Amino acid sequence: KNEVEQSPQNLTAQEGEFITINCSYSVGISALHWLQQHPGGGIVSLFMLSSGKKKHGRLIATINIQEKHSSLHITASHPRDSAVYICAGNTGNQFYFGTGTSLTVIP
Amino acid sequence: DTEVTQTPKHLVMGMTNKKSLKCEQHMGHRAMYWYKQKAKKPPELMFVYSYEKLSINESVPSRFSPECPNSSLLNLHLHALQPEDSALYLCASSQVGGRGGELFFGEGSRLTVL
Repeated sequence: KNEVEQSPQNLTAQEGEFITINCSYSVGISALHWLQQHPGGGIVSLFMLSSGKKKHGRLIATINIQEKHSSLHITASHPRDSAVYICAGNTGNQFYFGTGTSLTVIP
Repeated sequence: DTEVTQTPKHLVMGMTNKKSLKCEQHMGHRAMYWYKQKAKKPPELMFVYSYEKLSINESVPSRFSPECPNSSLLNLHLHALQPEDSALYLCASSQVGGRGGELFFGEGSRLTVL
């Protein structure tokens, strides 16, 4: 069993839909990261959070420390949001990666 | 400057070649990482350097040899690779400390071994 589990593995949505990607972790972590990777591209850090909620544009990330669960929400989804979203937890320089959620937003 | 720069972006090499991948950051990060990523898989940690010293080596074969010449540069020397080593090689950096920090990735070097 992976230290970090994500669901769903694949997600297809119509443009404009509200999207939620879930992440659960089983190890103690200092912070939870949401990362985005476009096809063939590098990885971009979207959020790093250790409690509560953060918002950046149409993206919202939440974390519940007690339940060891985090969610990434995308409001008013757009085709340019199509990418793989990766959840990762870290303690110091040790990072644990989820297997990623492949999101496709159809116009 | 919040960039991690990797060169080359693409590399094709034969199994007897020697080549190097280079990574540079100027964010003052003292932790630097090499990750290997296969298609549709999450990144796999290869090496971590902390304060220019190798702190984690995830049992990587000796045909991969990392080097950290200074706090801004990280190299990965490649020799006698196998076709299964073909992958996207990602460099990343972060702050060092108990909580670590946000991970900044480069665009990657896509390696093909013939």
